[in-house]
Amino acid sequence: AQSVTQLGSHVSVSEGALVLLRCNYSSSVPPYLFWYVQYPNQGLQLLLKYTSAATLVKGINGFEAEFKKSETSFHLTKPSAHMSDAAEYFCAVSDQSHDKIIFGKGTRLHILP
Amino acid sequence: EAGVAQSPRYKIIEKRQSVAFWCNPISGHATLYWYQQILGQGPKLLIQFQNNGVVDDSQLPKDRFSAERLKGVDSTLKIQPAKLEDSAVYLCASSSRTSGGVAQYFGPGTRLLVL
Repeated sequence: AQSVTQLGSHVSVSEGALVLLRCNYSSSVPPYLFWYVQYPNQGLQLLLKYTSAATLVKGINGFEAEFKKSETSFHLTKPSAHMSDAAEYFCAVSDQSHDKIIFGKGTRLHILP
Repeated sequence: EAGVAQSPRYKIIEKRQSVAFWCNPISGHATLYWYQQILGQGPKLLIQFQNNGVVDDSQLPKDRFSAERLKGVDSTLKIQPAKLEDSAVYLCASSSRTSGGVAQYFGPGTRLLVL
């Protein structure tokens, strides 16, 4: 069965520092992978997605993620954190039919001034 | 392109009362999803529609939850009667399968508090 594990329910970084949010997946088929962001009192917004094309995926707001099959990972990075990046981030994997998405438990990103 | 619309944004009810949520997906999106997001957790799929047919409702508590998508566009999710543990954010999402794989687009959610 498909699943994702997000390492760290809370991550704090200083403004201007590198953001690294970790996600490992388990899938019985070549996966489609997603990162979503949720700002307070809002729905989820798609940051980026991997669908078996380029392994380095660029998303909105300066975020990118790299698909590493050997490590079953899809970590999210941003070179320089901004205060506006403070939010909850969800990693997700599609099911076998690529028709449903299974979400991780989320990582709350805190930006320190 | 207009996004997924949901209403109401907030709802407070007492236990054993009923409540209904409405969702209007992105125009042309055939697939519609309802999720329940409990505080501190990721969204959990409740039901998936393809046009006006149910594809998956395996995690929908059918003794109290119901959903419909008449005419394959708007959808309504109902809870009757509500329990304290139903307090959560109810998210609606829609998708349209493309050659690049399916991504879901979410509405702002309805925050439900059951007292």
